[in-house]
Amino acid sequence: LAKTTQPISMDSYEGQEVNITCSHNNIATNDYITWYQQFPSQGPRFIIQGYKTKVTNEVASLFIPADRKSSTLSLPRVSLSDTAVYYCLVGDINAGGTSYGKLTFGQGTILTVHP
Amino acid sequence: DAGVIQSPRHEVTEMGQEVTLRCKPISGHDYLFWYRQTMMRGLELLIYFNNNVPIDDSGMPEDRFSAKMPNASFSTLKIQPSEPRDSAVYFCASSFGGRSNEQFFGPGTRLTVL
Repeated sequence: LAKTTQPISMDSYEGQEVNITCSHNNIATNDYITWYQQFPSQGPRFIIQGYKTKVTNEVASLFIPADRKSSTLSLPRVSLSDTAVYYCLVGDINAGGTSYGKLTFGQGTILTVHP
Repeated sequence: DAGVIQSPRHEVTEMGQEVTLRCKPISGHDYLFWYRQTMMRGLELLIYFNNNVPIDDSGMPEDRFSAKMPNASFSTLKIQPSEPRDSAVYFCASSFGGRSNEQFFGPGTRLTVL
């Protein structure tokens, strides 16, 4: 399973854009990149998923360069409620694939948003 | 849908006792996952099921841990006998198999073994 590396912590202020970068140098051809968010005393929550280039939804954007060895989660105009741990994961999204479901959560990035 | 339901939310027990954690996945989901989260080890996948069949239990730490899924709407994770090092938050998650790693997590069960 591909290993991911991301910063342990980041600080930001309300209204700013936050970019969290994750490296995954040994990502496999069938692997997709998935990001989760976890608030204290809650289970992780899916944010966004992508394979290459750019993906955007109502919550965030995900930028993936052509070599796919890294990815950047972008949170536009963060608020205090975005304070959480953000996990970057890589894995095969195809049900039945050998690594499907084997989501390996690293330590994540603790994002703290200040007033 | 109410989301993934776990019970109990908190469990305090003494070493040596049997502990049973329960999970009701989201209706229609065909995958069910059990995770454990601690400060030291982070979030670890213990076992997962597809259509009620265990697919991968390589994350189950010891024979003291067992999991079952008797039907599509219910799963249990049992620890017998429990030990203090089993203290953790146990999450159940479910997903609809397909082209996604979007798993829906329950609120977790905080287990304390004294």
